[in-house]
Amino acid sequence: DTEVTQTPKHLVMGMTNKKSLKCEQHMGHRAMYWYKQKAKKPPELMFVYSYEKLSINESVPSRFSPECPNSSLLNLHLHALQPEDSALYLCASSRKDRVNEQFFGPGTRLTVL
Amino acid sequence: AQSVTQLGSHVSVSEGALVLLRCNYSSSVPPYLFWYVQYPNQGLQLLLKYTTGATLVKGINGFEAEFKKSETSFHLTKPSAHMSDAAEYFCAVSDKNTGNQFYFGTGTSLTVIP
Repeated sequence: DTEVTQTPKHLVMGMTNKKSLKCEQHMGHRAMYWYKQKAKKPPELMFVYSYEKLSINESVPSRFSPECPNSSLLNLHLHALQPEDSALYLCASSRKDRVNEQFFGPGTRLTVL
Repeated sequence: AQSVTQLGSHVSVSEGALVLLRCNYSSSVPPYLFWYVQYPNQGLQLLLKYTTGATLVKGINGFEAEFKKSETSFHLTKPSAHMSDAAEYFCAVSDKNTGNQFYFGTGTSLTVIP
């Protein structure tokens, strides 16, 4: 299995809602990532988890809260988002033992009303 | 720190023509280099990568890229464009100092004209 899956595909939420994005991989990768991508822009790194521990937080607002319950699963909890947070949220994973390519999921298209 | 420059945010080619997408990087150590493709409303798919060894790298869908250290470049080419190649292309760099953290270029949107 060489796939990263993400659910849901699309999400519309109000600014007072609480929702979660889910990412899963079964490739045995020990590094997992959240990216935010605006239209026609490159992905912007948000968080990196290495061996289930948060290793990088790129100064992301606290209304985004990541969680890595186990080595296969990565969540992004959303609360009190702003309309400017509307974007494609991409999850990726990679092997940790050496620098290697990142495998990307299809993304969750988030719209904040 | 790493940086990646993709010259030309939009490139148009005729079907059957050569595709050339440019990528230049700045790095104080030998980098690892990647090209990704993104089709509309999809995630990123790896086309090819250079880590060590042969500097001419062949990837999927007929694409290839050559690492030129003297020019700090990793340009992507395909001899004959196909309509299905229309997509957004991102060059990315990482190195041993940044672990698995990628630095992406700003992307090049490829249009293929029938």
